[in-house]
Amino acid sequence: QLQLQESGPGLVKPLETLSLTCSVSGGSISSTGYYWGWIRQSPGKGLEWIGNIHYSGSSYHNPSLKSRVTVSVDTSKNQFSLKLSAVTAADTAVYYCARHEVSLWFGNSPGAGYFDYWGQGTLFTVSS
Amino acid sequence: EIVLTQSPGTLFLSPGERATLSCRASQSVSNGYLAWYQQKPGQAPRLLIYNASFRATGIPDRFSGSGSGTDFTLTISRLEPEDFAVYYCQQYGSSPGTFGQGTKVGIK
Repeated sequence: QLQLQESGPGLVKPLETLSLTCSVSGGSISSTGYYWGWIRQSPGKGLEWIGNIHYSGSSYHNPSLKSRVTVSVDTSKNQFSLKLSAVTAADTAVYYCARHEVSLWFGNSPGAGYFDYWGQGTLFTVSS
Repeated sequence: EIVLTQSPGTLFLSPGERATLSCRASQSVSNGYLAWYQQKPGQAPRLLIYNASFRATGIPDRFSGSGSGTDFTLTISRLEPEDFAVYYCQQYGSSPGTFGQGTKVGIK
């Protein structure tokens, strides 16, 4: 059974960088055809997709987060990571990692898809 | 981006009753690329339905999805005690994928 587990500090000061890691077990992050993604949930904005990455390093993210998002992958550790820079109180949320099945393609570029396996989530708070 | 509006906001029903949840999109969702998720307190969302009507692995057949274009429905034929939760729809027919605000199914 595929399992995902988020880890990282739960508290960061404003304008610092959020760093989270997702560890995948019960399957390989190098599985053909899947991307791996990050979603967050806050009372104010509900569920919001952040960004996804393929084991090859190909990634894409929500334009609403502009250039603050970096998603990376470490196949040797079966992990992928999220960095969100210049955080504000609006970034306070529960952050989930998930396996992503891309359905919408723009040529060879991924567009969107659904999430079939999720981590349990981790609360991340921005506060001074 | 596509905005998804779910209705009703809260639905109070008894075990054994039928639940009908609606998800309306601000523009047509191409290819019926719509998913439904169930979320219980303190847990992550769980995929129930993808591509509007395909049940995910291990999902009981009392859950069914239908719809196309801008109007989609999740039906739970007979509510079991474990079905009382919040349900979200998500479209992935255009980028970025977006989620609805959720419908809570509560016990009457």
